[in-house]
Amino acid sequence: KNQVEQSPQSLIILEGKNCTLQCNYTVSPFSNLRWYKQDTGRGPVSLTIMTFSENTKSNGRYTATLDADTKQSSLHITASQLSDSASYICVVSASNAGNNRKLIWGLGTSLAVNP
Amino acid sequence: EPEVTQTPSHQVTQMGQEVILRCVPISNHLYFYWYRQILGQKVEFLVSFYNNEISEKSEIFDDQFSVERPDGSNFTLKIRSTKLEDSAMYFCASTGLVQETQYFGPGTRLLVL
Repeated sequence: KNQVEQSPQSLIILEGKNCTLQCNYTVSPFSNLRWYKQDTGRGPVSLTIMTFSENTKSNGRYTATLDADTKQSSLHITASQLSDSASYICVVSASNAGNNRKLIWGLGTSLAVNP
Repeated sequence: EPEVTQTPSHQVTQMGQEVILRCVPISNHLYFYWYRQILGQKVEFLVSFYNNEISEKSEIFDDQFSVERPDGSNFTLKIRSTKLEDSAMYFCASTGLVQETQYFGPGTRLLVL
């Protein structure tokens, strides 16, 4: 069964600190992996998207890694800011026949950055 | 920067009533999606739409749901007879190519009483 599991479920850090969020997946056949940031009551916003050949991708203070062999990904946030407080969701795209794609969503990690 | 818009932002309805949720995708996008997120739960895929027809739908998307692109800009989700369990945040998304990042709208919060 295609699944995406994220850890930790929630995390509290102090402003300026770094943190790393984890994502493990069992999705086949794998197409790509995305990290989204979702502010409370808002739609998800894409941070990174990686195919199986990409090991790391950065977007400002966000750096995502992907290990396609172990089926693990991480999202590292550097020098956290109060505005980083949000839910971070790992989403894995499974290739289907033809042009259809199916996104398998994780539950997300709820990050709170405190002053 | 172009963005996906959704209306209304909030909708309260009585059980059994029909609701129509509206979305305006990014203008040059070709693929359109509806998702829902029940409070505290994962985002769930409902349906994808391409070339004026449904390309994929989930088991959630039963006969009570329908989608339409009535003109060149709007993309709508209709729930014919709402149930209490339809209460959720509904997100529309669009993308230019299927492999690309999906851009999400701000969502419509639906509450069925």
